[in-house]
Order: sequence, then C-alpha cells, then structure tokens
Amino acid sequence: DGGITQSPKYLFRKEGQNVTLSCEQNLNHDAMYWYRQDPGQGLRLIYYSQIVNDFQKGDIAEGYSVSREKKESFPLTVTSAQKNPTAFYLCASSIQGVNTGELFFGEGSRLTVL
Amino acid sequence: QKEVEQNSGPLSVPEGAIASLNCTYSDRGSQSFFWYRQYSGKSPELIMSIYSNGDKEDGRFTAQLNKASQYVSLLIRDSQPSDSATYLCAGGSNTNAGKSTFGDGTTLTVKP
Repeated sequence: DGGITQSPKYLFRKEGQNVTLSCEQNLNHDAMYWYRQDPGQGLRLIYYSQIVNDFQKGDIAEGYSVSREKKESFPLTVTSAQKNPTAFYLCASSIQGVNTGELFFGEGSRLTVL
Repeated sequence: QKEVEQNSGPLSVPEGAIASLNCTYSDRGSQSFFWYRQYSGKSPELIMSIYSNGDKEDGRFTAQLNKASQYVSLLIRDSQPSDSATYLCAGGSNTNAGKSTFGDGTTLTVKP
C-alpha cells in the first residue's frame, strides 16, 4: 500500500537535546512538507521541498532543520534552539504541477519535551 | 488578520441535519482551496478540493467557492455521528509551490 510513514509516533525529549523525526513516502510524490500543530490550532508550515537536494523555509523554520537526499525521505530535526517544541508534527506530500495543494499526511509524530 | 479564518466552533447538529462550515481568506492570490477532516488525535485527511467558483459535490459533501467574496464553505448533508471531527480549511496559491495556509479548524459534533 502506498502512503507516508512517520516515526516515531511518540517521542520524549529532554531540554537541550536534538531529535530527528523520520518521514518516508512511497507515493512517488515530488513535494514533501513538514507541518506543526498545536492544540486547538491549525497547521503551520515548517519546511517544504519540491525536489531532491532542495528545500525552503516555511513560516516557522527557526529551530528546525531538514534534508532531502532521496525523493522518498524528508527527515526533520528539532534542535535545542526550538524554544517550545512540544507539538504534533505532521509530514505530508503532494504531486507537483497538478493539484499541488492536495496534501497526503502521515500519521504524525507527537513530541513532548520533559 | 489571519490569512484563513474559519467560523468559530464548536458546531453541533443533530443526526440527519445539514452541517455548514465556513471559511474566509484574505490572499486574493489563492487559487485552490481544500477541506480536510481530522479526527481527534489523528492526522488530517483530504475530503474536498475546489479550484473554481461555484459548487462541487461529492456524495454528501458540497464545497462552495466564491472568489469575489473570498469565501469557501463545506456543506455536509445527512450528517452522521461519524462526521464528528475537526474540519480544516486550507488555501493554496499557484505561486507558492503548493504551500497551503490552514485555518484553525471548526469542530463538528453530530448528535444521534
């Protein structure tokens, strides 16, 4: 079955630690995205990538980093510079060029800072 | 002003009724609009896309777009308890490489 796999589903982090969230897709989609969702709020864009080896900052990129070495993979690192990292992180993908805004989401990763 | 605003919830309707969810947007460059359904604790799921003025129907769901008024809506006919979820409105611009701006969502409860 095609889809997007995020791991881990739940993650606890101590302050000062970096953590990496995995996102893998087998939909053959060109574009991939990372969104953050806080309770009772909509999604805010962290980073996105339209093509391998290229990515752009979204609206709230500070304290995060990404890489896109393979079409299928778009990992997100939450660094110690992110002041309030506790949130629900969603990875998504879309087909570029046609209906580019139709996003397919993974199941999400819930990060809690202890 | 937020780029995408949704009518404040929560919204409660009886089973079998029509649920009406509304959304306004400020960016006139937005060309495409989407409705996502998000069950509690789960990730969003795309249920409707609309790109041109007018209505688009898919089963019990009808999306309406009025670009002149910068208004998007979602109607759910014959609401079922399984429709109880948070509905997210999102707008995308063809110049923004598929980035979507999301509203904060409206929580719908359908009471049996």
